[in-house]
Amino acid sequence: LAKTTQPISMDSYEGQEVNITCSHNNIATNDYITWYQQFPSQGPRFIIQGYKTKVTNEVASLFIPADRKSSTLSLPRVSLSDTAVYYCLVASWAAGNKLTFGGGTRVLVKP
Amino acid sequence: KAGVTQTPRYLIKTRGQQVTLSCSPISGHRSVSWYQQTPGQGLQFLFEYFSETQRNKGNFPGRFSGRQFSNSRSEMNVSTLELGDSALYLCASSLGGQGGTEAFFGQGTRLTVV
Repeated sequence: LAKTTQPISMDSYEGQEVNITCSHNNIATNDYITWYQQFPSQGPRFIIQGYKTKVTNEVASLFIPADRKSSTLSLPRVSLSDTAVYYCLVASWAAGNKLTFGGGTRVLVKP
Repeated sequence: KAGVTQTPRYLIKTRGQQVTLSCSPISGHRSVSWYQQTPGQGLQFLFEYFSETQRNKGNFPGRFSGRQFSNSRSEMNVSTLELGDSALYLCASSLGGQGGTEAFFGQGTRLTVV
């Protein structure tokens, strides 16, 4: 499985856009990219998933360049409740439900 | 529809004992995975069950085992508990098809070994 590298922590302010970049240099052709959010003492929650280019849903956007060696999660207009740990995962189509989590990025949103 | 349910939420056990944790997946989901989360090691994959068969396994000792029933409910067992087994144990369910299916996590079971 491709290893991911992402910043340990990031600070932001309410109403700002937060961009978290994840590096996955060894991503394979069959791998897709997924982001999860986790609040303390809760299970991770799926945010968004993509294979290439750009994906957008009601909570976030995911930008993946053509070489797919990195990806950027964009959270528009964050609020205090977006304070959480965000995990970037890369997994194979054949991996089933086996998810490999890295250290994640701790995002702190300040008032 | 109901989410993933894990029971119990909290558990305190003594070293050497064994423990069984339960996970009820979302209705219709056939895959259940288990994870251990500790401050030092983060989130680590234990194993995955799909249609009552173990499909994937992480790097944990044989003291950690699991099973899945015909209704997709899953149990995880840890024998001969050690202090280092204190952790938040999470289970996740998904439809189980290969190819990027979203995993839904439960609230977890907080296990404390004393």
